[in-house]
Amino acid sequence: DIQMTQSPSSLSASVGDRVTITCRASQSISSYLNWYQQKPGKAPKLLIYAASSLQSGVPSRFSGSGSGTHFTLTISSLQPEDFATYYCQQSYSSPYSFGQGTKLEIK
Amino acid sequence: QVTLKESGPALVKPTQTLTLTCTFSGFSLSTSGMSVSWIRQPPGKALEWLARIDWADDKFYRTSLKTRLTISKDTSKNQVVLTVTNMDPVDTATYYCAVFGGSGYSFDYWGQGTLVTVSS
Repeated sequence: DIQMTQSPSSLSASVGDRVTITCRASQSISSYLNWYQQKPGKAPKLLIYAASSLQSGVPSRFSGSGSGTHFTLTISSLQPEDFATYYCQQSYSSPYSFGQGTKLEIK
Repeated sequence: QVTLKESGPALVKPTQTLTLTCTFSGFSLSTSGMSVSWIRQPPGKALEWLARIDWADDKFYRTSLKTRLTISKDTSKNQVVLTVTNMDPVDTATYYCAVFGGSGYSFDYWGQGTLVTVSS
């Protein structure tokens, strides 16, 4: 099974900051990497698919990059509504594992 | 417009079997390339992918739970059913169903989730 590891597990930042979250796969997954945002009590929301493609309706301040085993999610200028938990997920092969999550909190 | 909704018991006893139903609209599970997955999230913890069924009735399961999970579909009713046998308190979680395979093999549509508590 492919293991997904995110860092950091938590992050404190201020509105307007640029933040980057990292996700590493235990083996190469090409570009089969997706990013989700989850707010308390809500279902996850797809932000980025195929490592770098922005899902329709998602603000352009979100971007993704990487391939193989190393991936990043960047938020260029944090907005108040961006404080949430973020998950990476690989769809290269079943079982389709998620990272452990990165909780983004207000500083 | 794609929508999904999970239904099932809120409380089950240890050793019982859990049956959850995902009722969806806005797409057909008989369309090539479409599939539905179940994903769960224990309180305060990370997401865990559980199972997937696709348009061709191929099925995939989480390795550690493979012996306890069964996924099936009723295309005429637009439903996907997940059964989990021998429930344990550690299976307490919010269970989500989601569409897989739309935007670049991602979970692009999710249900609202249903909380299942395992307790005697």
